[in-house]
Amino acid sequence: AQSVSQHNHHVILSEAASLELGCNYSYGGTVNLFWYVQYPGQHLQLLLKYFSGDPLVKGIKGFEAEFIKSKFSFNLRKPSVQWSDTAEYFCAVNNQAGTALIFGKGTTLSVSS
Amino acid sequence: KAGVTQTPRYLIKTRGQQVTLSCSPISGHRSVSWYQQTPGQGLQFLFEYFSETQRNKGNFPGRFSGRQFSNSRSEMNVSTLELGDSALYLCASSLTVVSAGGGGANVLTFGAGSRLTVL
Repeated sequence: AQSVSQHNHHVILSEAASLELGCNYSYGGTVNLFWYVQYPGQHLQLLLKYFSGDPLVKGIKGFEAEFIKSKFSFNLRKPSVQWSDTAEYFCAVNNQAGTALIFGKGTTLSVSS
Repeated sequence: KAGVTQTPRYLIKTRGQQVTLSCSPISGHRSVSWYQQTPGQGLQFLFEYFSETQRNKGNFPGRFSGRQFSNSRSEMNVSTLELGDSALYLCASSLTVVSAGGGGANVLTFGAGSRLTVL
């Protein structure tokens, strides 16, 4: 069965620090990959997505992610975090039928000012 | 453009009761999906509807059911509620359905959720 693993449950950073959140998936076929963010008190929003092409994708608010097929990874990065990036981050992959998302357990990011 | 609207936002039920949650997708979106979010299990897929037909179902017991109407609005129902059903239930809509093998993909837009507490 498909699954998504997010390595870090809780990450604590100071403002201006660099961020990398790990995500690995288990599925050998064609995948579509996503990162969603859930800010405190808000609903899930799409940060970025990868369908095909350039494995380095850029999303909103300065986030980017790199798809490494050989490592089954889709790590999220941001060069310099802000206090407003405090949120829960979810990595997800389409299921084989393409009609549902398989989510990782999420990573809580806390940024101190 | 209005987003995905879920009602009610909060509700409290007791064990054994049933509950119906409603979701209005973004105008023009024909696919509606439901997810359960809990602290322990995270986000789990319940089911997905397209053109009033259930296209895919997650690994939940039969007490969880849903339907979609001709205007794409969807409802989900949970019967014989258990304490473990306490969760945030999220609805998401998308414009098209992905074919197997990838290529384009559904991009889900989520609603704010319905938070169910079972006592």
